[in-house]
Amino acid sequence: RKEVEQDPGPFNVPEGATVAFNCTYSNSASQSFFWYRQDCRKEPKLLMSVYSSGNEDGRFTAQLNRASQYISLLIRDSKLSDSATYLCVVNSGAGNNRKLIWGLGTSLAVNP
Amino acid sequence: DAGVIQSPRHEVTEMGQEVTLRCKPISGHNSLFWYRQTMMRGLELLIYFNNNVPIDDSGMPEDRFSAKMPNASFSTLKIQPSEPRDSAVYFCASEGTDHNEQFFGPGTRLTVL
Repeated sequence: RKEVEQDPGPFNVPEGATVAFNCTYSNSASQSFFWYRQDCRKEPKLLMSVYSSGNEDGRFTAQLNRASQYISLLIRDSKLSDSATYLCVVNSGAGNNRKLIWGLGTSLAVNP
Repeated sequence: DAGVIQSPRHEVTEMGQEVTLRCKPISGHNSLFWYRQTMMRGLELLIYFNNNVPIDDSGMPEDRFSAKMPNASFSTLKIQPSEPRDSAVYFCASEGTDHNEQFFGPGTRLTVL
């Protein structure tokens, strides 16, 4: 089993749809979790951190389920500009001893 | 702030040649990361530095790869000799002390023929 797994997609959804991605991780000692967004031929950029209690930023909601070892990203009222690859990142290190594992990404295409 | 700066943006070289990639992190950031991204393997952490000291280089593929950070504002990743399987996009990222967000440079697209 890979340390971090994502459904590669692609997810094709119409504008206005709600779409959700999951990311599973194998190391139960993982400390922190993030979602990054990467546009085609660009660098990854932080979308949001994932907190234990769940967190929301506008149309985006991130959740952490430690029991089942997955994180999720929900996008509501999707826009054309949301089309991108969404990468989950899991840090299973502590303090300065970072052990960052990146998923391969989930591709999202929002269609008019 | 100019963000993380990488050079060159594109590099095409022949097998066996030495390749040097350069990175200038965001001023004030104390962590620097080198990544390699390919379609098959995704984003792989090669090495990271904290306060200019290499903390974890377990991701460096083999002895042909080396990285240095002589000061807080500059790092290099060197491949010698290069091989076609090294072809990838190499990203440098920096992070502040909050460990909350990595800022990536635009990447260097390396092609080894």
